[in-house]
Amino acid sequence: SSELTQDPAVSVALGQTVRITCQGDPLRKYFASWYQQRPGQAPILIISDSNIRPSGIPDRFSGSSSGGTASLTITGARADDEAVYHCNSRASSGRPHVIFGGGTKLTVL
Amino acid sequence: QVRLQESGPGLVKTSESLSLTCTVSGASIDTSSYYWGWVRQPPEKGLEWIGNVYYSGATYSNPSLSSRVTISMDTSKNQFSLTLDSVTAADAALYFCGRIDGALKVDYWGQGALVTVSS
Repeated sequence: SSELTQDPAVSVALGQTVRITCQGDPLRKYFASWYQQRPGQAPILIISDSNIRPSGIPDRFSGSSSGGTASLTITGARADDEAVYHCNSRASSGRPHVIFGGGTKLTVL
Repeated sequence: QVRLQESGPGLVKTSESLSLTCTVSGASIDTSSYYWGWVRQPPEKGLEWIGNVYYSGATYSNPSLSSRVTISMDTSKNQFSLTLDSVTAADAALYFCGRIDGALKVDYWGQGALVTVSS
């Protein structure tokens, strides 16, 4: 299967740490990347190739991967981290087919 | 700084074709280093990959849409385009264009173009 599965919603208390996960067979072979999307805006790449932060992304955001699960960890959650987080990878077929998870809505309490 | 900007009609009638163009600045689309692609997001839903075009002209599309999708590029204008045939209400969405690297992550996104489908 070339699907990625995310929890639809997760919440975290202000200042605490939260982990958002993405599961799927493609992640056993390929890296995951993560995007943050605030309402009305385009997604922003925040983690690439499992654990690399693009320039300008705070180190509060980190990524990891194990087996068929990729994780995005936000340490010291801030109010403006409230957004939808999407994971993506490539299809198991090996063809250049992009796949996305369903997205996780993060609420900061 | 790489910038992408979608353009095209915001309203399309049912059964007609949707056409969008993405204009790229700050980078040449005539490069073997990247794909150029389209992603859409229906209201209150997740991201759905539509398809990619490569500098060679090769195209790849989501199997669920491939029979209706055409993606092309015009290197002289540094633009690439999407045509989606026979649209229905299910095709109403925010359409993004993006630059896609070899790991198939989208490292630059356009701001999005909202397409409404009316009968």
